[in-house]
Amino acid sequence: GENVEQHPSTLSVQEGDSAVIKCTYSDSASNYFPWYKQELGKRPQLIIDIRSNVGEKKDQRIAVTLNKTAKHFSLHITETQPEDSAVYFCASRAGSYQLTFGKGTKLSVIP
Amino acid sequence: DAGVIQSPRHEVTEMGQEVTLRCKPISGHDYLFWYRQTMMRGLELLIYFNNNVPIDDSGMPEDRFSAKMPNASFSTLKIQPSEPRDSAVYFCASSRGQDAGTQYFGPGTRLLVL
Repeated sequence: GENVEQHPSTLSVQEGDSAVIKCTYSDSASNYFPWYKQELGKRPQLIIDIRSNVGEKKDQRIAVTLNKTAKHFSLHITETQPEDSAVYFCASRAGSYQLTFGKGTKLSVIP
Repeated sequence: DAGVIQSPRHEVTEMGQEVTLRCKPISGHDYLFWYRQTMMRGLELLIYFNNNVPIDDSGMPEDRFSAKMPNASFSTLKIQPSEPRDSAVYFCASSRGQDAGTQYFGPGTRLLVL
């Protein structure tokens, strides 16, 4: 089955700096790649997603890039703010409707 | 829309007791997923349903776990008998097939088995 590797597991950045989280997947049939943000004690919430026919997608301070040849995708957060502190999960979906999640990255934005 | 609804939000029980977790998906969503989240194992898919029919239950840890979806607006996850290692946060999520799989999570049930 699909395997998703996510790095780094923890990331600390100064407020205003950029943060990058990277994921690799194993199933070349994967065609949908969402990113979820989970604040402490809360549910995972979708923040951005990308489909396999698109190389990059942006939404204000967040962007996701996809390299299908290398089977990796990344989340970029610019001008980080303390409220960006959370655990971020990448995921991928192949033929079925189930998602395979990475292990998560704990992002800390230091004021 | 109220989003995905789960109950109870917190459950504390003793080893050996039966535990039933409940989920109401978003109206109109035809897929429902049950996940378990722990620090050690992350977010694991236990089972998912399409149009109330279980499609893949390969993630269910063992026979002590069972899930049902008697209708489009209700699902249960049952653990009988419960064990301390079942302590985790259990999330229910739903999606609409035509949206290519975007899943919306409920608030979760935090289960502690003593």
